[in-house]
Amino acid sequence: LAKTTQPISMDSYEGQEVNITCSHNNIATNDYITWYQQFPSQGPRFIIQGYKTKVTNEVASLFIPADRKSSTLSLPRVSLSDTAVYYCLVGDWSASNFGNEKLTFGTGTRLTIIP
Amino acid sequence: ETGVTQSPTHLIKTRGQQVTLRCSSQSGHNTVSWYQQALGQGPQFIFQYYREEENGRGNFPPRFSGLQFPNYSSELNVNALELDDSALYLCASSSLGDRGRGYGYTFGSGTRLTVV
Repeated sequence: LAKTTQPISMDSYEGQEVNITCSHNNIATNDYITWYQQFPSQGPRFIIQGYKTKVTNEVASLFIPADRKSSTLSLPRVSLSDTAVYYCLVGDWSASNFGNEKLTFGTGTRLTIIP
Repeated sequence: ETGVTQSPTHLIKTRGQQVTLRCSSQSGHNTVSWYQQALGQGPQFIFQYYREEENGRGNFPPRFSGLQFPNYSSELNVNALELDDSALYLCASSSLGDRGRGYGYTFGSGTRLTVV
């Protein structure tokens, strides 16, 4: 499994755009990049997933360069409620990997939004 | 649709005892996974159940065992509790159509187990 490296913590002010970068130098051809968000005393919640280039949904954007050795989660105009731990996950979730679909979490990035 | 519910929310046990944690999967989901999350760490995969059989296991000893029932609910059993078993235990469910996709998992809020 590809190992991921993220900053341990980040601070940002309300209203700003926040970018969290994840390194995954050993990413394999079939691997997808997925980000989860976790609030205290809650389970992780899916944010976004991508394979290459850019993916955008109503919550965030995910930027993946051509070499796929890193990715950047972008949160637009953050608010206090975005204070959470953000996890970058890399894994092969293709149909050919049936039965080996565990999510492998690192220690994540603790994002604190300052009023 | 209902989400994933776990019980109890908090539990205190003595070293050497046994514990059973319960999980009701989200409506329409037929696969259940269990994760252990120590303080300040990310969740670690324990095992997954599909069609009432274990379908993948992480690096946990045999004293961690589980069950999945016909209604897709699940139990996590831990025997001979150790102090290091103190953690948040998370249950995640997914459906056959979303299996094999990193986004198809719905997590419960977990059971906080403290071993003293």
